[in-house]
Amino acid sequence: AQSVTQPDIHITVSEGASLELRCNYSYGATPYLFWYVQSPGQGLQLLLKYFSGDTLVQGIKGFEAEFKRSQSSFNLRKPSVHWSDAAEYFCAVGADSNYQLIWGAGTKLIIKP
Amino acid sequence: GAVVSQHPSRVICKSGTSVKIECRSLDFQATTMFWYRQFPKQSLMLMATSNEGSKATYEQGVEKDKFLINHASLTLSTLTVTSAHPEDSSFYICSAGSASYNEQFFGPGTRLTVL
Repeated sequence: AQSVTQPDIHITVSEGASLELRCNYSYGATPYLFWYVQSPGQGLQLLLKYFSGDTLVQGIKGFEAEFKRSQSSFNLRKPSVHWSDAAEYFCAVGADSNYQLIWGAGTKLIIKP
Repeated sequence: GAVVSQHPSRVICKSGTSVKIECRSLDFQATTMFWYRQFPKQSLMLMATSNEGSKATYEQGVEKDKFLINHASLTLSTLTVTSAHPEDSSFYICSAGSASYNEQFFGPGTRLTVL
């Protein structure tokens, strides 16, 4: 079955420290991979996406993610977090045929001052 | 990226009334629109997928007579919550996709509170 797993329900990081949010997927075909961020009470903002090509993708707000096919992972990273990065982060997998997405449960990022 | 709007952003209604939420793609033609529901501190739950000019496809467990979806044009889809009850209170998010893009573009969401 197709699925997306975000193993960490929440992560606490000190401001200025590095961050890695994990995402693993189970998908039969070559996946399209996405990371979205959602601030409280807000809609979703696309951070970055991977369709093909270079497996290290750069996104907005200083985020990057690396697609590792052998590990079925698409982890999100940021070298130095800011207090404004506190939010919920969702990983999603999709196919190009109908744009439907399979969503992870989300990881809540908490920033310590 | 493309822009999707939702209206209203927040609505409070009495139990038993119906509420309509609009989702518009502002600068592209959306052949497919999606409606999601999000409970507090949870991920998005896909409710239905609608293609312009055809009936929506509802996910298992979603009552199509309660959540009426209309996708009458390439830029507008509406979700009507009929005879709303307090348990329908939630955050509803729409998204839109088209053949020009390989991704969905999300609206800002609508917070529905049923008293």
